[in-house]
Amino acid sequence: GAGVSQSPSNKVTEKGKDVELRCDPISGHTALYWYRQSLGQGLEFLIYFQGNSAPDKSGLPSDRFSAERTGGSVSTLTIQRTQQEDSAVYLCASSLDPTGVAFFGQGTRLTVV
Amino acid sequence: ELKVEQNPLFLSMQEGKNYTIYCNYSTTSDRLYWYRQDPGKSLESLFVLLSNGAVKQEGRLMASLDTKARLSTLHITAAVHDLSATYFCAVDMVGNAGGTSYGKLTFGQGTILTVHP
Repeated sequence: GAGVSQSPSNKVTEKGKDVELRCDPISGHTALYWYRQSLGQGLEFLIYFQGNSAPDKSGLPSDRFSAERTGGSVSTLTIQRTQQEDSAVYLCASSLDPTGVAFFGQGTRLTVV
Repeated sequence: ELKVEQNPLFLSMQEGKNYTIYCNYSTTSDRLYWYRQDPGKSLESLFVLLSNGAVKQEGRLMASLDTKARLSTLHITAAVHDLSATYFCAVDMVGNAGGTSYGKLTFGQGTILTVHP
């Protein structure tokens, strides 16, 4: 595609529910990243994928967070038993190779009520 | 732990004026990026600075990198309203996991720039 695409753009969920956030990277980009942007913490790295594997998950804040990538393309970030502190904008980025410039999607704004 | 600090965090400018945003980082890095974010939008890459002394210019924006001082600057010349946005610097601490190197960005807090007529 022309750019990194994320869906949904907005998600409101009740505390305790599970949510799935989707990222379609730029075609051919092998590296994929998830970041989180919140008022209190700024922009934080969550996880890095190279192909379908995730060699760096160090930024995932708790075991309620998980992510997968299939076919070297689409990635899904899953948050189980959502909490209010999970409310943030979740940004996905991809790059042609692991050390290339990262292009960001428009983000998913998650609100936990 | 890598820390990236920007200043100022808020910048209100008049059109036509010049100003500089500073980005300090705490450890040696391979690359430094500047991104722009408009309200409700995603991050747009502006510049990638790869080496000491690197200078890049695009329109009214010029970015530079001093790796010895661990400092990057984003200079705005003759500001116009369209430049109003939040500007982030991000330092690429090339990670190394699974035997391969990759970019892992640590962002500054962002500078909210507002340009007034």
